[in-house]
Amino acid sequence: EVQLVESGGGLVQPGGSLRLSCAASGFTFRSYWMSWVRQAPGKGLEWVANIKQDGSDKYYVDSVKGRFTISRDNAKNSLYLQMNSLRAEDTAVYFCARNREITYQSAFDIWGQGTMVTVSS
Amino acid sequence: DIQMTQSPSTLSASVGDRVTITCRASQSISSWLAWYQQKPGKAPKLLIYKASSLESGVPSRVSGSGSGTEFTLTISSLQPDDFATYYCQQYDSYPWTFGQGTKVEIK
Repeated sequence: EVQLVESGGGLVQPGGSLRLSCAASGFTFRSYWMSWVRQAPGKGLEWVANIKQDGSDKYYVDSVKGRFTISRDNAKNSLYLQMNSLRAEDTAVYFCARNREITYQSAFDIWGQGTMVTVSS
Repeated sequence: DIQMTQSPSTLSASVGDRVTITCRASQSISSWLAWYQQKPGKAPKLLIYKASSLESGVPSRVSGSGSGTEFTLTISSLQPDDFATYYCQQYDSYPWTFGQGTKVEIK
């Protein structure tokens, strides 16, 4: 079964750090661009970042540039999001998602169940 | 950034109704548009990619059309499983952006 499973969410104070993980199974992880997408409580979806198959290209939404880092370990079939200098507005469910196509320009066909990140004192 | 605007924000409809959701982009995105369905507490589900291509396993009552700046998602005969929130997403230019969502409610 093709599956993505996120972990690592939790409660963190403003200014703190958190590392999210996404474990992939059922497909050739190293063949796909991967993304993180977040959803604040009661709000819409926001794309956060993506990473090329070999990790050589990464893109971010402006609001997280310099604070978040996306990475991957193809040997472990895993995607990561290191989040530093967290703010209240980063509070959201974070989903990892797979590109449908092998190119960067693609919809997301596989999503994880999400992991909740709460930034609060 | 490309702004995606969906209308309406909320739609009340009955089982069997034909429903149409519109998504407008602030600049041309060719056909680089996807539609997703999301139910409460769940991850989004891909319905349509490249503006009009139906994802495998999605019922044929769902269709997408449009190019450039104006797109539509149509459900030809609304079923109980279709009551959900729908999002459009552009993947023409970074950062990828989503519409604000359209909630389809039971009338």
